Amino acid sequence: EVQLVESGGGLVQPGRSLRLSCTASGFTFGDYTMSWVRQAPGKGLEWVGFMRSKANGGTTEYAASVKGRFTISRDDSKSIAYLQMNSLKTEDTAVYYCTRGRRYFDYWGQGTLVTVSS
Amino acid sequence: EIVLTQSPGTLSLSPGERATLSCRASQSVSSNYLAWYQQKPGQAPRLLIYGASSRATGIPDSFSGSGSGTDFTLTISRLEPEDFAVYYCQQYGSSPFTFGGGTKVEIK
Repeated sequence: EVQLVESGGGLVQPGRSLRLSCTASGFTFGDYTMSWVRQAPGKGLEWVGFMRSKANGGTTEYAASVKGRFTISRDDSKSIAYLQMNSLKTEDTAVYYCTRGRRYFDYWGQGTLVTVSS
Repeated sequence: EIVLTQSPGTLSLSPGERATLSCRASQSVSSNYLAWYQQKPGQAPRLLIYGASSRATGIPDSFSGSGSGTDFTLTISRLEPEDFAVYYCQQYGSSPFTFGGGTKVEIK
């Protein structure tokens, strides 16, 4: 059974950093692109970015709203994807979902809430 | 950036009725790379349809997707109690990948 479990969310002040983790199981993690999608409270879904598998170059792409501030990385030996979030803004407040896939997302984690507030 | 507009915003129907949800793109979606997701309160979204019309694993055939270019439709042939939820479309034909604003299907 495919499982994605996010962790690392919480309350953080504007301008600070936070790193989210996504621990995967039930599939060959290294074969897949991993993506992050977020959802502000009471709002719709927003694609954040992805990291391709190492076999496909391990390259990343990001939404314009987070480019230069957020970084996605992965540790295939541990089946973990990371989302490093720097220079956080109040508008980054959202539930962050880890998802499997580059284009469409066939498995999702339960999400972790990040609240950016002073 | 491709903007996806979903309509209606809310659809009030009774169990057993047919639901028709629309997703319109601001420009043509490459290769009909359009997906649909279902989200229930407090839960993560679930993939229903990809490639505009292909059902994801485990999705019942009461869900069907159609359309091409800029106009896409999700149809639920007969609403079950568990189908009342919010539905999102997403295009993945060009980066940035974008989602529509959602359609809430509520019990009438």
